Amino acid sequence: GQQLNQSPQSMFIQEGEDVSMNCTSSSIFNTWLWYKQEPGEGPVLLIALYKAGELTSNGRLTAQFGITRKDSFLNISASIPSDVGIYFCAGQDAGNNRKLIWGLGTSLAVNP
Amino acid sequence: DGGITQSPKYLFRKEGQNVTLSCEQNLNHDAMYWYRQDPGQGLRLIYYSQIVNDFQKGDIAEGYSVSREKKESFPLTVTSAQKNPTAFYLCASTAYGTMKELFFGEGSRLTVL
Repeated sequence: GQQLNQSPQSMFIQEGEDVSMNCTSSSIFNTWLWYKQEPGEGPVLLIALYKAGELTSNGRLTAQFGITRKDSFLNISASIPSDVGIYFCAGQDAGNNRKLIWGLGTSLAVNP
Repeated sequence: DGGITQSPKYLFRKEGQNVTLSCEQNLNHDAMYWYRQDPGQGLRLIYYSQIVNDFQKGDIAEGYSVSREKKESFPLTVTSAQKNPTAFYLCASTAYGTMKELFFGEGSRLTVL
C-alpha cells in the first residue's frame, strides 16, 4: 500500500541538541499527524496539522504542514533523554479520507 | 480517566489456535481500528468500524476477524489462518468520522510458539 517517505530512519544525538525530521508524500494530503511511540506502548499524538503552511507547537516540539501539501516536518528543540522513542508521521490523502497513511518512523536516541 | 484498554498485554499461543484480543474504550468514540505493527514496517490497518454492527476490512484483513456489538468494544480474533501472527497489535479510536487524531491503546504483543 501507499507509504510516506519519512527521514531520517534513525538519529543518535547529544542531550541539548535540536532535532529535525520530515515526511514526504507523492500525493496531496489534507491532514498531517505526528505521533511518538515508546517501547512496548501505543503511539501518542503529538501534533495535528490541517492547513497548508500551518505551523503548530507543543512545548519543545514544532511541526509544519508544507505549502505544497506533500510534506511535513517535526522539530524538537533542546532534546532531553525522555525524548527517546520512535516518531511517526501519518497523513490523510486528500483523495481518500477514509485512510491514514503512515511513515515507517524515525528512531531517536539521546545521549545524556 | 477516559482511554482505551487493551488486554492481554502479552499473549502466547500455539500454532493452530485462535486467540481474541480485547479492546475497550470509554471515550464515547464512534470509530475504532485495529493495526498490526512489525519492526521496520510501520502500522498496517487490519479492520476498522465506524458504527456499531458494521466493520470494514483494512489492508491486511486475511486471517483476522472482528465484531462490533457494542460502541465501547471492538475485539480482534487472530485465527489459525493467519500465517504469521506474531506481532504487536494496536487498537485505536477516534471521535471523527474520518481517520484522524487516532487515540491508541497500549498494545498487545502476541507470540506464536
